[in-house]
Amino acid sequence: KQEVTQIPAALSVPEGENLVLNCSFTDSAIYNLQWFRQDPGKGLTSLLLIQSSQREQTSGRLNASLDKSSGRSTLYIAASQPGDSATYLCAVRGAETSGSRLTFGEGTQLTVNP
Amino acid sequence: DGGITQSPKYLFRKEGQNVTLSCEQNLNHDAMYWYRQDPGQGLRLIYYSQIVNDFQKGDIAEGYSVSREKKESFPLTVTSAQKNPTAFYLCASSIGLGERRRDTQYFGPGTRLTVL
Repeated sequence: KQEVTQIPAALSVPEGENLVLNCSFTDSAIYNLQWFRQDPGKGLTSLLLIQSSQREQTSGRLNASLDKSSGRSTLYIAASQPGDSATYLCAVRGAETSGSRLTFGEGTQLTVNP
Repeated sequence: DGGITQSPKYLFRKEGQNVTLSCEQNLNHDAMYWYRQDPGQGLRLIYYSQIVNDFQKGDIAEGYSVSREKKESFPLTVTSAQKNPTAFYLCASSIGLGERRRDTQYFGPGTRLTVL
């Protein structure tokens, strides 16, 4: 059974700092990996999707990498801003034959202090 | 506006009652999903549907039921058999199996259910 782990569980940084969030998964047979952002009491917003054949994806100040063989992904946030404060969730889509389900990590709660 | 809507935003249930959470999407997506989120935890899959009139149990289906009579609608019923239903419920949709590698899920705003 696929398990997804995110480290750290919480992170507090001063504004302007570059930071890295980590995600690991136990089964490398995946179709893709996604990073989501969740604001308190809200739904999830997709940030980046990396297909299994890709190594990284970039969107603005965000860069996500994928090392499928080692079961790891990182989300790099450059020049962090207070508006980046949220919970960041990693999810993998398994390559099962019966439906494509997402398995989520527990998230990293990020606080960027002005 | 295209997207996913969930209603109500807040729902209170008395012990022994069944309640139904609404999820509607106008994205023309084939696949829809229901997740449960508890404080400090990730999302857990309750049920999912890849096509109209078909659905499968997720990891925590006990005490829940769904229907998929229309492509755009996927209501979730929380029955009295669900012993600890207080949680945040999220609905999502995606294009479906044909685009599996690039298929991203789009989420609704959620419904917070509280048992009184």
